[in-house]
Amino acid sequence: KAGVTQTPRYLIKTRGQQVTLSCSPISGHRSVSWYQQTPGQGLQFLFEYFSETQRNKGNFPGRFSGRQFSNSRSEMNVSTLELGDSALYLCASSPATGGITVWYGYTFGSGTRLTVV
Amino acid sequence: KQEVTQIPAALSVPEGENLVLNCSFTDSAIYNLQWFRQDPGKGLTSLLLIQSSQREQTSGRLNASLDKSSGRSTLYIAASQPGDSATYLCAVSGGYQKVTFGTGTKLQVIP
Repeated sequence: KAGVTQTPRYLIKTRGQQVTLSCSPISGHRSVSWYQQTPGQGLQFLFEYFSETQRNKGNFPGRFSGRQFSNSRSEMNVSTLELGDSALYLCASSPATGGITVWYGYTFGSGTRLTVV
Repeated sequence: KQEVTQIPAALSVPEGENLVLNCSFTDSAIYNLQWFRQDPGKGLTSLLLIQSSQREQTSGRLNASLDKSSGRSTLYIAASQPGDSATYLCAVSGGYQKVTFGTGTKLQVIP
């Protein structure tokens, strides 16, 4: 059973540019969550998608956005990059079902290391 | 608001020692608790998931317990090895897919 696949693994971007990160969840998992991890702030929740709908959102500016496709693959986009956006971006897949609120745990991808220069 | 604390923040032990990592949470109305390890620069690897109806889970040298009434979980690592060196995080959810992570315990096992 394939795990969670995140691409690319590494990215270097310049301030002001935009970036798109991709996440393919475990087959059959319909919930995809995104996290930002930095040494100073730890793991920060960005958003969660289920069946192409954003279900939860963290406390990040509107420059951070995401979407989910019908095959459950998800992308997140960061526009107008700032130096402070340099971080490890992690995607987590979960076997959530609609209408049920219970969390059944995460399987994480290896992450995308974004460096903004 | 749920708060999850992991103490100590860092721990250094000699190889072969048995050790316990702690995870405390303020709201006992949780569904599940999950323990992860993270190696530097890598993603999180799931170790154990304890459902709210369970008291403990075991996998190899790892044993995790859950006491909802006291708001505590412990991860017991038997016969520690240098390969166990990593940061260990716990995560809890009270529902609606809202997950709260602890700040982690950085473990170093010295050969």
